[in-house]
Amino acid sequence: GNSVTQMEGPVTLSEEAFLTINCTYTATGYPSLFWYVQYPGEGLQLLLKATKADDKGSNKGFEATYRKETTSFHLEKGSVQVSDSAVYFCALSPSTNAGKSTFGDGTTLTVKP
Amino acid sequence: KAGVTQTPRYLIKTRGQQVTLSCSPISGHRSVSWYQQTPGQGLQFLFEYFSETQRNKGNFPGRFSGRQFSNSRSEMNVSTLELGDSALYLCASRTSPEVSSYEQYFGPGTRLTVT
Repeated sequence: GNSVTQMEGPVTLSEEAFLTINCTYTATGYPSLFWYVQYPGEGLQLLLKATKADDKGSNKGFEATYRKETTSFHLEKGSVQVSDSAVYFCALSPSTNAGKSTFGDGTTLTVKP
Repeated sequence: KAGVTQTPRYLIKTRGQQVTLSCSPISGHRSVSWYQQTPGQGLQFLFEYFSETQRNKGNFPGRFSGRQFSNSRSEMNVSTLELGDSALYLCASRTSPEVSSYEQYFGPGTRLTVT
């Protein structure tokens, strides 16, 4: 079956530091890949997406590139802010069944001033 | 455009009881999926509905069921509640079940506590 493995957290960074959260996946075919963010007490918000190999998703300074050869979709941001503190989830949707997403365990990011 | 709404936001139930959770998708969205989020198991897919029909189902016991109405609103029901059913239940909507319609929009969730 499909699976998503995320870098274990929690991750604590100082403001303006560089962020990388690793994500690798196992899936048949060509899934779409996503990063979601969850703030305390809220549901998940779509942060960025990529639907095919070599696509780069980007939003709010965050980026991730769909690497089929390494089955990875690592999240990066050049300079984090305190407001980026949240839980980040990597997810995939199968090409044949987009509504049945598989999520990683989530990585908690805390950014200190 | 209003987002996905879920009611109630918080629930406390006793073991053995049953519970019904409600989800109203974004206007124009016809596909609704449900997920269970727990600290131990993470986010797990429960089921997806489109046009009042269940299209996909995750690996949950038959105590978990759902339905969708003609206006695309969806409900999920859990019967004979167990302590392990305590979780955040998230609903997500998308425009249709087509493969190209992959973006899901999540509601804030219903926090269920079983005592």
